[in-house]
Amino acid sequence: AQSVTQLDSHVSVSEGTPVLLRCNYSSSYSPSLFWYVQHPNKGLQLLLKYTSAATLVKGINGFEAEFKKSETSFHLTKPSAHMSDAAEYFCVVSEENNNDMRFGAGTRLTVKP
Amino acid sequence: DGGITQSPKYLFRKEGQNVTLSCEQNLNHDAMYWYRQDPGQGLRLIYYSQIVNDFQKGDIAEGYSVSREKKESFPLTVTSAQKNPTAFYLCASSIFRGFSYEQYFGPGTRLTVT
Repeated sequence: AQSVTQLDSHVSVSEGTPVLLRCNYSSSYSPSLFWYVQHPNKGLQLLLKYTSAATLVKGINGFEAEFKKSETSFHLTKPSAHMSDAAEYFCVVSEENNNDMRFGAGTRLTVKP
Repeated sequence: DGGITQSPKYLFRKEGQNVTLSCEQNLNHDAMYWYRQDPGQGLRLIYYSQIVNDFQKGDIAEGYSVSREKKESFPLTVTSAQKNPTAFYLCASSIFRGFSYEQYFGPGTRLTVT
């Protein structure tokens, strides 16, 4: 069965500095990988997804993620953090054409002024 | 506006009472899901439904029940058998797009049982 591990439960950055949120996955088949963002007491919003096309995926709000099969990783990055980026981020895996999605435990991003 | 609505946003109940959480979608999605979210644990799947009048247990179905009588609606009942019902509950629906399923989430209902 597929699974993801988010390597940091909490990341703190200063406004204007780069963001790196780390995610490793495990999957027996070709995975689909997603990043979702959740602001406090809200639902989850899809940031981006990888589905066996280009390994560098661009999402909303300036975020991007790179699929690295050799490292089984799908880290989320942003060149310059904004205060509005402060939220919880979830890495999610499903196997190709499969509706069963597995969520990581989440990474809380704090952005300091 | 297309989307998923969950009501109410906050819900308080006494221990021993059943409570039903509402989830409605107007996205015309076939599949719908209920997740439970606890601090530091990510999302855990309670029940899901691929089509009307059919649903399956997820990883933590004990103490919960669902129905899917209409495509648009997937209510979740938290029964008195659920030992630790206080949590944030998220409803989602999904569509197959761009070689994978994508899930879309409602705003959630925070249930507090005392």
